[in-house]
Amino acid sequence: SQTIHQWPATLVQPVGSPLSLECTVEGTSNPNLYWYRQAAGRGLQLLFYSVGIGQISSEVPQNLSASRPQDRQFILSSKKLLLSDSGFYLCAWRPRRRETQYFGPGTRLLVL
Amino acid sequence: GQSLEQPSEVTAVEGAIVQINCTYQTSGFYGLSWYQQHDGGAPTFLSYNALDGLEETGRFSSFLSRSDSYGYLLLQELQMKDSASYFCAVRGGGFKTIFGAGTRLFVKA
Repeated sequence: SQTIHQWPATLVQPVGSPLSLECTVEGTSNPNLYWYRQAAGRGLQLLFYSVGIGQISSEVPQNLSASRPQDRQFILSSKKLLLSDSGFYLCAWRPRRRETQYFGPGTRLLVL
Repeated sequence: GQSLEQPSEVTAVEGAIVQINCTYQTSGFYGLSWYQQHDGGAPTFLSYNALDGLEETGRFSSFLSRSDSYGYLLLQELQMKDSASYFCAVRGGGFKTIFGAGTRLFVKA
C-alpha cells in the first residue's frame, strides 16, 4: 500500500530564517506531487506541483521554492521566511490517470 | 481564470440529510471531486464525478451537471462525526487541481 510522509509535524521559526519541509511517498512510482498551503479556516492554496524529477510548476509567486530531487521526494524551501508564510502546509500525491489526491499529515508552520 | 463557489457554513441535525452545493468556472474540465477535512487533520478523498449524474458511496452521494457547471455532495443519516469541512475541487486542465474555500458542516444532536 501507498503512504505519504511529511515532517516535521510542527515548526516555529523566526522571521528571516530558512525553511525546508520534506515529503516522501512510498509504495508507488512516478506520482504527481503537490504542495498546498492552508490558512486557518480557509481553503487549500496550490503552491507547486511536479510531474517528474526536476519538473516543478509554480502557481503563486512568493518567496517559496520547491524541488523534486528523487521520484518520490518533494521538498518545499525558503531562504527567508515572512510572517505571512505561517500556515498549514500539505503535501499530496496523485496516481497517474486517476483523480484522487492523497494528502500527508501536514506541517503546521508558525513564523514569529 | 478558475473559481469554485460553495457555502461557507451549513448546520443540520443528527439523522438528517444535507446537501452542499458547488459551482465552478474553469477553462477546462476533467471532473469534480469532494474532500472531507476534520479540524487539525488532512483532507481525505470522498468522491469524484467526471460525467453527469449521481455517484453513491454509502451515506455519501455526489452529483454533477456539466452543462450547469454545478455539483453537490449529499450526506444522509448525518452523524456527529460528519462535522467537518467539505471541499469541492476541480481539475480544469493539465495537472493542477483547484479547491473551493470549503463548507463547514456542523451536526447538532
